[in-house]
Amino acid sequence: DSGVTQTPKHLITATGQRVTLRCSPRSGDLSVYWYQQSLDQGLQFLIQYYNGEERAKGNILERFSAQQFPDLHSELNLSSLELGDSALYFCASSIGHLGNTEAFFGQGTRLTVV
Amino acid sequence: LAKTTQPISMDSYEGQEVNITCSHNNIATNDYITWYQQFPSQGPRFIIQGYKTKVTNEVASLFIPADRKSSTLSLPRVSLSDTAVYYCLAYNQGGKLIFGQGTELSVKP
Repeated sequence: DSGVTQTPKHLITATGQRVTLRCSPRSGDLSVYWYQQSLDQGLQFLIQYYNGEERAKGNILERFSAQQFPDLHSELNLSSLELGDSALYFCASSIGHLGNTEAFFGQGTRLTVV
Repeated sequence: LAKTTQPISMDSYEGQEVNITCSHNNIATNDYITWYQQFPSQGPRFIIQGYKTKVTNEVASLFIPADRKSSTLSLPRVSLSDTAVYYCLAYNQGGKLIFGQGTELSVKP
């Protein structure tokens, strides 16, 4: 158990819908990272937050947004869903800004868009 | 951000030592070399990290030559449960946690 909690574990929804994925980082971790992993794309970095502020952006679509709340949990919002958004979405947390530290990953949310 | 290059796949047999080499020619002075392991449908898991020379823990060893342009992850006496994808990353304080394609290791009986 990494200490990072993601909910829900599975999500099935229809095209055009909007969903929210939730991540609770390890106790004391200030950084949260979101990733998308589909079969043909590998682990794609979406976005990083540090202590409530957006710190780095990756290949995140405009239909996707995220935020980190004062209690440090984070939510990833996916809207106008398309079939191609079906993937595993991982959240990770680290104590600070990496460097000589490691990131801890949750078990992921499997999103299926039908 | 240092770009890393690894073999796409490797095969091994149980009980053998496996060495996976990663190239990171443009590594920055303050980058740390870090390896993660990922099993299917699970999040990546930290294996080992180093800056230079050799680092060893209960799972693996990491060899980094003096020029730091490459590194080698060594897994002693692999078992079937070591079948996974292994990612090499080079990042520093404030760097992005970007994963490449990784090396898919297949351990056969």
